[in-house]
Amino acid sequence: GAVVSQHPSRVICKSGTSVKIECRSLDFQATTMFWYRQFPKQSLMLMATSNEGSKATYEQGVEKDKFLINHASLTLSTLTVTSAHPEDSSFYICSATRETQYFGPGTRLLVL
Amino acid sequence: GQQLNQSPQSMFIQEGEDVSMNCTSSSIFNTWLWYKQDPGEGPVLLIALYKAGELTSNGRLTAQFGITRKDSFLNISASIPSDVGIYFCAGPTSGTYKYIFGTGTRLKVLA
Repeated sequence: GAVVSQHPSRVICKSGTSVKIECRSLDFQATTMFWYRQFPKQSLMLMATSNEGSKATYEQGVEKDKFLINHASLTLSTLTVTSAHPEDSSFYICSATRETQYFGPGTRLLVL
Repeated sequence: GQQLNQSPQSMFIQEGEDVSMNCTSSSIFNTWLWYKQDPGEGPVLLIALYKAGELTSNGRLTAQFGITRKDSFLNISASIPSDVGIYFCAGPTSGTYKYIFGTGTRLKVLA
């Protein structure tokens, strides 16, 4: 139990385009999901908290208009990187809460 | 703000050796979690600790919740090649479900 999936696992896009990443809790419902970003050889940094049925809350320094989060159901949260730039290239990881946080496998984004 | 510092930053060990790493904080945590991350993957929960002084095992892994609530330790006994990866401690920031992650300990096991 407590499996979290992400799609896609990796994506390459051109600068200026938008990319959507999905996070699903496969065998449990999660009212709260989290989105993290991880740069090479660094730790995970929390970007935002995704709340089902309400607006996401963003950590300091994270642009809400650039990283759009939608928590449409108890099993799905999406992160859309709008007008992506090369500096947005990173490893994006989501987690879903069920007593503790269970993490997805991550999505590697490369913006050319 | 709250920070979690892990040491050592990295370590190279021989297969079969025991490993110890720790995580320290400048503030109190009520929960400590240890995760392992393989390259290109998300973190996987190894052990969760909920009470000061608690000692919990998961196979060859043992973790302890420090009595001061400001530290935690993870030990791996008889290391094997698949123990390679990055080990992170994590804990919820006060009053929330949000986690902060430690700086990580990168483990390499030499066969």
